[in-house]
Amino acid sequence: DTGVSQDPRHKITKRGQNVTFRCDPISEHNRLYWYRQTLGQGPEFLTYFQNEAQLEKSRLLSDRFSAERPKGSFSTLEIQRTEQGDSAMYLCASNPTGALGSGYTFGSGTRLTVV
Amino acid sequence: QKEVEQNSGPLSVPEGAIASLNCTYSDRGSQSFFWYRQYSGKSPELIMFIYSNGDKEDGRFTAQLNKASQYVSLLIRDSQPSDSATYLCAVARAAGNKLTFGGGTRVLVKP
Repeated sequence: DTGVSQDPRHKITKRGQNVTFRCDPISEHNRLYWYRQTLGQGPEFLTYFQNEAQLEKSRLLSDRFSAERPKGSFSTLEIQRTEQGDSAMYLCASNPTGALGSGYTFGSGTRLTVV
Repeated sequence: QKEVEQNSGPLSVPEGAIASLNCTYSDRGSQSFFWYRQYSGKSPELIMFIYSNGDKEDGRFTAQLNKASQYVSLLIRDSQPSDSATYLCAVARAAGNKLTFGGGTRVLVKP
């Protein structure tokens, strides 16, 4: 499978618990993006990496959110002390750096439900 | 004002007709423009992208870009029931930069 892989597909957690999601991008893509999407809305940018460097993080992103891409391959997104408002689909996408004409490929997403 | 605006719809189109979707953006520095299709409960899939003013055709889809008016559109010809989905417009300041999405337009193609 050469697509973007996300794990898990679904996560149900109790409010206050920590959760971690994983994304494996397309192997030759060195840019990796995290987005959050709630029902009826377009995806909202969270953060992105070029290789292992985190280049940008949304100003709207709470300090409870952190992302890593330690070896420039897979990435993890952690949410600490989850709140009901964190319930959403978390999408990962990848893209070759600066490649005009290339698209951004999305994974299947992780659907988080906070109860 | 949102950075990328789309009419939320639903846009109801008879089968075989042309669906016309519009998108406006506020950042004049935007350089690349994308249309994604998203089925309910699924992730977005890229339909096409456009960088230069004018039209770009790919099969039944045509994207149109007017940077002066900060406007990008998508035409779907010979609409099929399988085209029923939400269509997301996205823009980026440069190749490889983050995408900023609109809220999407829901399209319903009626047999």
